[in-house]
Amino acid sequence: EVQLVESGGGLVQPGGSLRLSCAVSGFTFSSYTMGWVRQAPGKGLEWVSDINGSGGRTYYIDSVKGRFRISRDNSKNTLYLQMSSLRVEDTAMYYCAKAGDKSWYHYWGQGTLVTVSS
Amino acid sequence: DMQMTQSPSSLSASVGDRVTITCRASRDIGNHLAWYQQRPGKVPTLLIYDASTLQPGVPSRFSGRGSGTDFTLTISSLQPEDFATYFCQNYDGAPLTFGGGTKVEV
Repeated sequence: EVQLVESGGGLVQPGGSLRLSCAVSGFTFSSYTMGWVRQAPGKGLEWVSDINGSGGRTYYIDSVKGRFRISRDNSKNTLYLQMSSLRVEDTAMYYCAKAGDKSWYHYWGQGTLVTVSS
Repeated sequence: DMQMTQSPSSLSASVGDRVTITCRASRDIGNHLAWYQQRPGKVPTLLIYDASTLQPGVPSRFSGRGSGTDFTLTISSLQPEDFATYFCQNYDGAPLTFGGGTKVEV
């Protein structure tokens, strides 16, 4: 059974940092692209970033470039999102997701809530 | 920037109705389009990928069509569990983009 479990969310002040983690099981982690998708309260889905299986290729939405960094540790079956210079508008539920053969997402975690507020 | 425009943003329907949701891409994306369902308070679930391929386990009343810039999701006979919000997603290269969503209400 595929499982994705996020952690690391919380309340942080503007300008602060957080590191999200996503522990996965039930599939060969290193073979798949993984992504982060966020959803602000009451809003739609917004793709944030993804990373290929080896970790050699990463992509970001413009609004987080230079502030967020996606990475993965294939020996630990864990995906990360290092977030810095956080803004109020980064407040959202952050989901990690497993891509299929292309970057559609067929498995999602339960999400971890990030709140940026003073 | 790449835009995905969904319409309508919301609709009212009854059990048994046929419902169609449209998603338009701002450039040609081939068939690189997926559809998701999100029930209130729940995680999104994949319904369709490659514009028309049904994800295993998804009921056959859901279908997708289109290519290029214009796509549709159709629910042939709405069931009570289908009242939810639906999102399209382009995956034809980064940045990946979601449509704004269509809320299907009673």
